[in-house]
Amino acid sequence: DAGVIQSPRHEVTEMGQEVTLRCKPISGHNSLFWYRQTMMRGLELLIYFNNNVPIDDSGMPEDRFSAKMPNASFSTLKIQPSEPRDSAVYFCASTEADRSYNEQFFGPGTRLTVL
Amino acid sequence: AQSVTQLGSHVSVSEGALVLLRCNYSSSVPPYLFWYVQYPNQGLQLLLKYTTGATLVKGINGFEAEFKKSETSFHLTKPSAHMSDAAEYFCAVSGSGNTPLVFGKGTRLSVIA
Repeated sequence: DAGVIQSPRHEVTEMGQEVTLRCKPISGHNSLFWYRQTMMRGLELLIYFNNNVPIDDSGMPEDRFSAKMPNASFSTLKIQPSEPRDSAVYFCASTEADRSYNEQFFGPGTRLTVL
Repeated sequence: AQSVTQLGSHVSVSEGALVLLRCNYSSSVPPYLFWYVQYPNQGLQLLLKYTTGATLVKGINGFEAEFKKSETSFHLTKPSAHMSDAAEYFCAVSGSGNTPLVFGKGTRLSVIA
């Protein structure tokens, strides 16, 4: 039974380049979350979707960040243009939104380094 | 609104000693509470959760936590630490419905041989 799948696992890019992170949630899950983890800020919720619809994007740091979920099995987080301060580990998580409690299942993360 | 406070960003114990990681929460509705563990270079993995019912919850790897409403606490314990327990531990709270989890800042557990 596959868990949450993220790609790439590691990304090194130069400042100003576009970066796209990808996530495939667990089949049957209808809520998806994007988090960013840094030493300074810890684990931050960036945006989450219910049934492919963005519900809360207040955690997205600025307009350079955008996220989409075109269907139930795929989501992207894009940074354009990237900056060194975007270097972090980005996690995707999914859950069944209809349950009374939402245990989230996390992917392995994408470690992004912006030079 | 909900929040989580984890006391101690770093805890160090000897192998075989008791592990106690502290978590206090704030919630305006009956909370659902979670402990996650993160091993180096990995994602977060659920250790245990409290939803309703028994306030003492047992999880994987010998960990357990007790929900104490009067103290708004959900501390994580393990009777005897093992070297493999060295990791980062996150406490999280959620209200009812589809609200996202709110995570604490994490506690790094070191186990000394």
